[in-house]
Amino acid sequence: NAGVTQTPKFQVLKTGQSMTLQCAQDMNHNSMYWYRQDPGMGLRLIYYSASEGTTDKGEVPNGYNVSRLNKREFSLRLESAAPSQTSVYFCASSSGLVNEQFFGPGTRLTVL
Amino acid sequence: QKEVEQDPGPLSVPEGAIVSLNCTYSNSAFQYFMWYRQYSRKGPELLMYTYSSGNKEDGRFTAQVDKSSKYISLFIRDSQPSDSATYLCAMAPGGGADGLTFGKGTHLIIQP
Repeated sequence: NAGVTQTPKFQVLKTGQSMTLQCAQDMNHNSMYWYRQDPGMGLRLIYYSASEGTTDKGEVPNGYNVSRLNKREFSLRLESAAPSQTSVYFCASSSGLVNEQFFGPGTRLTVL
Repeated sequence: QKEVEQDPGPLSVPEGAIVSLNCTYSNSAFQYFMWYRQYSRKGPELLMYTYSSGNKEDGRFTAQVDKSSKYISLFIRDSQPSDSATYLCAMAPGGGADGLTFGKGTHLIIQP
């Protein structure tokens, strides 16, 4: 089992460009999450999907959109990237019955 | 005041020592508490998961929760250089699909 996988691993964007971060899990989990991690700020929740077909905002949703494509896949889209979105992005999943969350390896995004 | 406070360190101890890592929190609704370990440039890895107050032991790791003091701890016995990492505490009010609130992490260095 690969667990939680994320693509790409690294990305450099220019201000105003758009991109989609992909996440997939093979643990048959119901719930999926997107966090960002910044130096001195810790991990902060951007959006989550409690189950297929539902999405909800987290602590820092502005500038992002998400799509729960199916039970396995949860994508994060930046429509018009800004330097403030330079961060490491982590996807996580959990069964939804207990909130033990399992994380992917992360995507390092730099916006110039 | 941030919801979860965690000393960023670094905390440097000699190999074999007992390590104590701590977090305090302000939200009395938190009932589920987790500790994650994160190696440099990797995703967080779940170490311990506890519910409400009390102790939980797993090998060299012991997690303690004192809800009356809003204080959680992780103890590492017989510390090894491979334990050198950043340790993140995380918590949530519910046990289902809630997103987690993280501390900023403590950077731990085990000196050989």
